[in-house]
Amino acid sequence: KQEVTQIPAALSVPEGENLVLNCSFTDSAIYNLQWFRQDPGKGLTSLLLIQSSQREQTSGRLNASLDKSSGRSTLYIAASQPGDSATYLCAVKGGGADGLTFGKGTHLIIQP
Amino acid sequence: NAGVTQTPKFRVLKTGQSMTLLCAQDMNHEYMYWYRQDPGMGLRLIHYSVGEGTTAKGEVPDGYNVSRLKKQNFLLGLESAAPSQTSVYFCASYLQSGSTDTQYFGPGTRLTVL
Repeated sequence: KQEVTQIPAALSVPEGENLVLNCSFTDSAIYNLQWFRQDPGKGLTSLLLIQSSQREQTSGRLNASLDKSSGRSTLYIAASQPGDSATYLCAVKGGGADGLTFGKGTHLIIQP
Repeated sequence: NAGVTQTPKFRVLKTGQSMTLLCAQDMNHEYMYWYRQDPGMGLRLIHYSVGEGTTAKGEVPDGYNVSRLKKQNFLLGLESAAPSQTSVYFCASYLQSGSTDTQYFGPGTRLTVL
């Protein structure tokens, strides 16, 4: 059974810092990995999706990497802003119709 | 193009009552999913469907039933609600298309069972 772990569970940093969120998964046979953002009481917003054959994806100040063989992904946020405060979720997908397996998330607070 | 919509947004039930949550998507996706999100547990898959008329169990299917009579709709039913089913329910749809494939999520339904 696939298990996804996110470290740290919570993180509070001053505005402007660069930061790294970590995600690990137990079964390397994944189809893709996705990072989501969730604001309090809201739904999920997809940030980045990395196919199993890719090493990284970038969108603006966000960069996600994938090391499938070691079962790890990182989400790098550059020049953090208070608006980045949210919970960040990592999820992996197996092949075919498999649903996503989610980590429990990292609760991020960016202090002004 | 509304994406994925969920009805209702909020609901309060008493133990033993029944209800149906509706998920609708207008992207012509074959695959649809129901997840629940609980504090400290992350999202967990309840049931899913790979096409009209098909359903399958996910990680936590007990106490729920589903139906996919039309491609665009995926219904989640609670026949006899229990307090343990208090949660936020998310529906998602998915089209596997290579570089752009992703699951699209609805806004969620907050269910409280008293």
